Amino acid sequence: QSALTQPRSVSGSPGQSVTISCTGTSSDVGGYNYVSWYQQHPGKAPKLMIYDVSKRPSGVPDRFSGSKSGNTASLTISGLQAEDEADYYCCSYAGSYYVVFGGGTKLTVL
Amino acid sequence: EVQLVESGGGLVQPGGSLRLSCAASGFTFSSYEMNWVRQAPGKGLEWVSYISSSGSTIYYADSVKGRFTISRDNAKNSLYLQMNSLRAEDTAVYYCATQLSYGSFDYWGQGTLVTVSS
Repeated sequence: QSALTQPRSVSGSPGQSVTISCTGTSSDVGGYNYVSWYQQHPGKAPKLMIYDVSKRPSGVPDRFSGSKSGNTASLTISGLQAEDEADYYCCSYAGSYYVVFGGGTKLTVL
Repeated sequence: EVQLVESGGGLVQPGGSLRLSCAASGFTFSSYEMNWVRQAPGKGLEWVSYISSSGSTIYYADSVKGRFTISRDNAKNSLYLQMNSLRAEDTAVYYCATQLSYGSFDYWGQGTLVTVSS
């Protein structure tokens, strides 16, 4: 299984919206509604932001939303805030209990 | 409050072994599926292994299959990862994490660093 493809970096100004894409195949992203997104600040453990494509865990602001179309999943962050600057990773179930992550995207808040 | 605390990391020579532990508290450990996820220095996340709540079902990433063994002791609220035949490419921070659904991990420990080097 190959890693999911994410842009290396994205940026936006405070208050704007940014979207991070995550491209896989019909064997992972496209085949299951089990895509999750993680936020990771430097030196910290990852934090679950979205699961099952578009569900938000308790405590995650509704500025964070997830979606999927075909083999590509997306994380949208609206109303960007300084504290959103972090690395973001997508993750997908790939069948036969295999899980694959994306390479990560560095979000810079300008 | 859910807490996961990993321990057991350190420096080990190539070909050596190490056993990681993850102590769980603040939730009913025996009801949760658990995973190990690792992150090489400056790199992305990589899923390593899964174990069902009872311990009866186990899966591994191809990169560690045959070398790593996941286990749990529900009486001790603990998760383990026995790592044998370690290679330089196993160098990473190892996290234990609870599973919310397929491929989603809602609670993570702080991680323990494993360095494989001569």
